[in-house]
Amino acid sequence: DAGVIQSPRHEVTEMGQEVTLRCKPISGHDYLFWYRQTMMRGLELLIYFNNNVPIDDSGMPEDRFSAKMPNASFSTLKIQPSEPRDSAVYFCASSRTSGYTGELFFGEGSRLTVL
Amino acid sequence: AQSVTQLGSHVSVSEGALVLLRCNYSSSVPPYLFWYVQYPNQGLQLLLKYTSAATLVKGINGFEAEFKKSETSFHLTKPSAHMSDAAEYFCAVSEQGAQKLVFGQGTRLTINP
Repeated sequence: DAGVIQSPRHEVTEMGQEVTLRCKPISGHDYLFWYRQTMMRGLELLIYFNNNVPIDDSGMPEDRFSAKMPNASFSTLKIQPSEPRDSAVYFCASSRTSGYTGELFFGEGSRLTVL
Repeated sequence: AQSVTQLGSHVSVSEGALVLLRCNYSSSVPPYLFWYVQYPNQGLQLLLKYTSAATLVKGINGFEAEFKKSETSFHLTKPSAHMSDAAEYFCAVSEQGAQKLVFGQGTRLTINP
């Protein structure tokens, strides 16, 4: 089975530009999570969805960040406008309610560099 | 609110030596506890988990962890380190039945030849 798929793997952009990160969760998983990883702050949960509905977005740093999940197989995390402090690795993860054991399945991450 | 504290951001051991990575948690309800490993330029993958069954949990690659409620700890051990164990290790906690995980800051494990 395919794992969580994220794109792009690497993104370099200039300050002020819009950035869109994409995620395809594992088929059949009904939870989707967006995490951000930095040296200073470690792994931070930004937002998570259940059945395509945002459940908790309290980790979204500010209004420049938005996330959507239009269907069960696709989610986006958008940053507009981007700033150098947004440079990080962004991970998407998914899990399922049925037979839940607490395990999250992570994608390989999108490394964002904002110049 | 739940939280996890990993003692030591960097741990260095010799090949063949014992690996001990420390994790203490805080939770007002019975927790689920996890250890994840992250190899360079990769996502996190599950090493092992405690979900209220046996307190000594065995995972992949020879790792194990013991849940100690009295000490609020969930330390990760491996009797003999291998060069391939070099990675970053994350302890995480969730409420039983809850999907949201809270991660610790991570511990980078270095193996010396």
